[in-house]
Amino acid sequence: NAGVTQTPKFQVLKTGQSMTLQCAQDMNHNSMYWYRQDPGMGLRLIYYSASEGTTDKGEVPNGYNVSRLNKREFSLRLESAAPSQTSVYFCASSEAGTSGYNEQFFGPGTRLTVL
Amino acid sequence: GENVEQHPSTLSVQEGDSAVIKCTYSDSASNYFPWYKQELGKGPQLIIDIRSNVGEKKDQRIAVTLNKTAKHFSLHITETQPEDSAVYFCAAIPEGGNEKLTFGTGTRLTIIP
Repeated sequence: NAGVTQTPKFQVLKTGQSMTLQCAQDMNHNSMYWYRQDPGMGLRLIYYSASEGTTDKGEVPNGYNVSRLNKREFSLRLESAAPSQTSVYFCASSEAGTSGYNEQFFGPGTRLTVL
Repeated sequence: GENVEQHPSTLSVQEGDSAVIKCTYSDSASNYFPWYKQELGKGPQLIIDIRSNVGEKKDQRIAVTLNKTAKHFSLHITETQPEDSAVYFCAAIPEGGNEKLTFGTGTRLTIIP
């Protein structure tokens, strides 16, 4: 099993360009997440999906859109990239807990630079 | 919403010594507290977690303690080894939080051989 995979690993954009970050998991998890990681600020949740067809905003959703294409895939789109979106982006997945919380499994990350 | 503070931001210890990382949280309804380890160039990985009905949990050289009254929890690593060098994140989630974790800002732990 590959776990959680993300593409691309690195990306450089110019201000105003758009792009989609791809994420897929092969663990049959219901829940998927997108985080951004910035120096000194830890991991901040951008969007969350509890199941196929549902999405919910996290702490920092502005400037991003998401699509839960199917149970395996959860993409993050930047419609008009800004330098403030320079960050490392992580996708994660977990089994939805009915009576508690479950481990989140993280992908290797995408390092995005917006010039 | 929940706010998690983590200290220290950097920590250096001699190999074989113990390391302690502390976190405080703001939402008294929080009841799940995981710790994640992030090695260079990789995504975070869960190393231990604790739920609010337990005061302490151990797994080999790693232990976590929880004080719900004071709203703080700590990670203890004993007999540190070079492979313990990494960034460690604490997190918290309140009951009914829809699995939305709030993370601390991280501690960069360096083990000095």
